[in-house]
Amino acid sequence: SQKIEQNSEALNIQEGKTATLTCNYTNYSPAYLQWYRQDPGRGPVFLLLIRENEKEKRKERLKVTFDTTLKQSLFHITASQPADSATYLCALDGSGGYQKVTFGTGTKLQVIP
Amino acid sequence: DGGITQSPKYLFRKEGQNVTLSCEQNLNHDAMYWYRQDPGQGLRLIYYSQIVNDFQKGDIAEGYSVSREKKESFPLTVTSAQKNPTAFYLCASSPRTSGGDEQFFGPGTRLTVL
Repeated sequence: SQKIEQNSEALNIQEGKTATLTCNYTNYSPAYLQWYRQDPGRGPVFLLLIRENEKEKRKERLKVTFDTTLKQSLFHITASQPADSATYLCALDGSGGYQKVTFGTGTKLQVIP
Repeated sequence: DGGITQSPKYLFRKEGQNVTLSCEQNLNHDAMYWYRQDPGQGLRLIYYSQIVNDFQKGDIAEGYSVSREKKESFPLTVTSAQKNPTAFYLCASSPRTSGGDEQFFGPGTRLTVL
């Protein structure tokens, strides 16, 4: 069956360090993968998209990698700040031709001052 | 300001009652979506619509209904047939172009069944 796995345990890191979050998937062949940020009680906010033919994407302190052989995406936040504390969701498309994605359960990141 | 709005923010319902959640967008997006989020779980797709007067069931459509009579509006009705409706409901929209467009989310409606 199809599955998207993100670490359900919270990730605690010290301010200034690099946070690395993982998104693994099985039985998908996504054309793209997205990362969103969600704060408590609010809707997710889009951060980055990476396509299957891209290995890496960067935006300011954020970096995403996409390894279609390993079926994995890594999401990095460099020089992390307490304001980066949130839940981060990955989402990928499950079928071609539609604007329909499936979300992972998310990983909660806590940046400690 | 362009955006997507949902109302109300909090909603309480008695068991056996139908309730309608509002979702409006002024982004001129073609596609709209409804998700449900439960504690410790990801977003699960209830219904989505790619164009006016057309919509498709998502992964958990049972007990829900939608309409898409206008491009900017996509209301969700939670019917009494939905066995466990207490949840956080999120509406989203996207432009629907070649693929991979980001989804813009509303602030959500927290529904509690008493």
